[in-house]
Amino acid sequence: DQQVKQNSPSLSVQEGRISILNCDYTNSMFDYFLWYKKYPAEGPTFLISISSIKDKNEDGRFTVFLNKSAKHLSLHIVPSQPGDSAVYFCAASALMNYGGSQGNLIFGKGTKLSVKP
Amino acid sequence: EAGVVQSPRYKIIEKKQPVAFWCNPISGHNTLYWYRQNLGQGPELLIRYENEEAVDDSQLPKDRFSAERLKGVDSTLKIQPAELGDSAVYLCASSGRRGAQQFFGPGTRLTVL
Repeated sequence: DQQVKQNSPSLSVQEGRISILNCDYTNSMFDYFLWYKKYPAEGPTFLISISSIKDKNEDGRFTVFLNKSAKHLSLHIVPSQPGDSAVYFCAASALMNYGGSQGNLIFGKGTKLSVKP
Repeated sequence: EAGVVQSPRYKIIEKKQPVAFWCNPISGHNTLYWYRQNLGQGPELLIRYENEEAVDDSQLPKDRFSAERLKGVDSTLKIQPAELGDSAVYLCASSGRRGAQQFFGPGTRLTVL
């Protein structure tokens, strides 16, 4: 059973508008969440993260919102640019879990964002 | 700062053949990860090293997969023999310590015919 779910395989947005990518998780032990961006033939690159003690983290055009009660997080990109076109992966980790899996990332399946000029 | 280096970038082999992937992490990074990414899926952890010790290999199919990280720097992931279902992108990542931000290499795309 998938612990991190990205239910939208793709999203198309007009340049300059807002892109909203969603992610749901099931494991209440997760306390750290990340978004990675991936271009074709490249490895994922870190974009932004949020700790479970916060509900919002902002970095330039990128903002991540966390709703712990709903086990839901979202990535907002404003304004969207054609260069943002990529696959976005949501990932979760249990940093406070002192077992062997501490810090391991669990990824969703990704959402392919297309920003049209 | 040089990123994570992986080679080869692409590999095509016939089933039952052996194959090996190499990874050079970012200098000074003690933690090294191998992931497998199937088509349309996110990366899935195969094994995590802390220095030269494999501290989490619970997801590594040990009947055909093996890995090593001699001297706690470079790492090699091997499959022997390869099966059709092993076709995937194999990603290596490193971080300064467990739980810190992971930096990914470009991956090796394996095709098993």
